[in-house]
Amino acid sequence: DVKVTQSSRYLVKRTGEKVFLECVQDMDHENMFWYRQDPGLGLRLIYFSYDVKMKEKGDIPEGYSVSREKKERFSLILESASTNQTSMYLCASSRIPVREQYFGPGTRLTVT
Amino acid sequence: QKEVEQNSGPLSVPEGAIASLNCTYSDRVSQSFFWYRQYSGKSPELIMSIYSNGDKEDGRFTAQLNKASQYVSLLIRDSQPSDSATYLCAVNRGSARQLTFGSGTQLTVLP
Repeated sequence: DVKVTQSSRYLVKRTGEKVFLECVQDMDHENMFWYRQDPGLGLRLIYFSYDVKMKEKGDIPEGYSVSREKKERFSLILESASTNQTSMYLCASSRIPVREQYFGPGTRLTVT
Repeated sequence: QKEVEQNSGPLSVPEGAIASLNCTYSDRVSQSFFWYRQYSGKSPELIMSIYSNGDKEDGRFTAQLNKASQYVSLLIRDSQPSDSATYLCAVNRGSARQLTFGSGTQLTVLP
């Protein structure tokens, strides 16, 4: 079974803090993704990576950066957290070419 | 026009009925199609994938694909209250490195 894990299920941070969200997959997938999901807005792609040290912007990259130093690990970084970044963050992985995409359990981030 | 469109619902069906969820997509070169189920507060879970025209059955679930009409549907037979969730349709073009997701249809199965 594919397993995608995320470092935290719930996280509370203060405005201006630097926030790291980490994702690890154990299926040797080339692709990894970070989404955020908000009520009424659906899944929105923040960044994805198709190889180590490679990254591409998704639909809403502003305010975020990513890091992929190892194939199995993909980190999302909020350089200076703001209240409008309060959301559910979902990591996913897939093979190339893209077929099924598998999601981690999600991190519900609250920025106060 | 959105790339992948779904009725947002909510769709309500009585227990034991057939729930029919529909999805249309705009890109004719799309090749891979997926249905995800998402319970409230949880992450999306892949339940069906379909790649060629016709029907694909897996237990109570049937995915139907019609590439000429550019739609894909999910039928849930003998619906159960535990099927109450949001169902996301996702589509991939062969050259794309990511899936495009619809906004989801909220299904409620009434006991």
